[in-house]
Amino acid sequence: DIQMTQSPSSLSASLGDRVTITCRASQNIDNYLNWYQQRPGKAPRLLIFAASRLHNGVPSRFSGSGSGTHFTLTISSLQPDDLATYFCHQSYSVPPDTFGQGTKLEIK
Amino acid sequence: EVQLVESGGDSVQPGGSLKLSCVVSGFNFDNFWMHWVRQIPGKGLEWVSRIKNDGSYTTYADSVKGRFSISRDNAKNTVFLQMHSLTAEDAGVYYCARAQYDSSGYFFDYWGQGTLVTVSS
Repeated sequence: DIQMTQSPSSLSASLGDRVTITCRASQNIDNYLNWYQQRPGKAPRLLIFAASRLHNGVPSRFSGSGSGTHFTLTISSLQPDDLATYFCHQSYSVPPDTFGQGTKLEIK
Repeated sequence: EVQLVESGGDSVQPGGSLKLSCVVSGFNFDNFWMHWVRQIPGKGLEWVSRIKNDGSYTTYADSVKGRFSISRDNAKNTVFLQMHSLTAEDAGVYYCARAQYDSSGYFFDYWGQGTLVTVSS
């Protein structure tokens, strides 16, 4: 199984800050990498697919990059709505799909 | 509007069984693979199972293989997860999710709100 490792596990940032979350795969997954946002008490929501493609309706302050084994999710200017946990997900080598352990983002 | 609505979550004793349902609307259900993903509250996401759009192919996580069974009724726009021999490790919120395929694999573009399974004596 491909292991997905996110860092950091949690972070605290101020409104307007640029925030970057990293996801590393245990082996090459090309760009078969997706990012989800999960607000407290809610279901996950797709943000980014194929490493860098913004899903419909997702604010442009979110962006993704990377390929192979190293990926990043960036929020260019942190907003109150961004309080959430973020997960990466690979669909390159399945089954099983695997997710990162999550990054909990708090607002200072 | 695309909607996925899970039901069937309950509190069961260890060794018990439960059947979850996910009714979808707002899209052509028989064009999409469907998945189940679970989450222990406050923890990460774990993929559980998937089923091909016509129901002819299914796969499972090793942790549930032989105990869980996924199925679908395309006439009723519903996907099911039959769970047997439940243990404490199966407790959590179960989400159904629609898989959208792309040149770079697939992604879950719509999720249900989740249904809670509790396993306790």
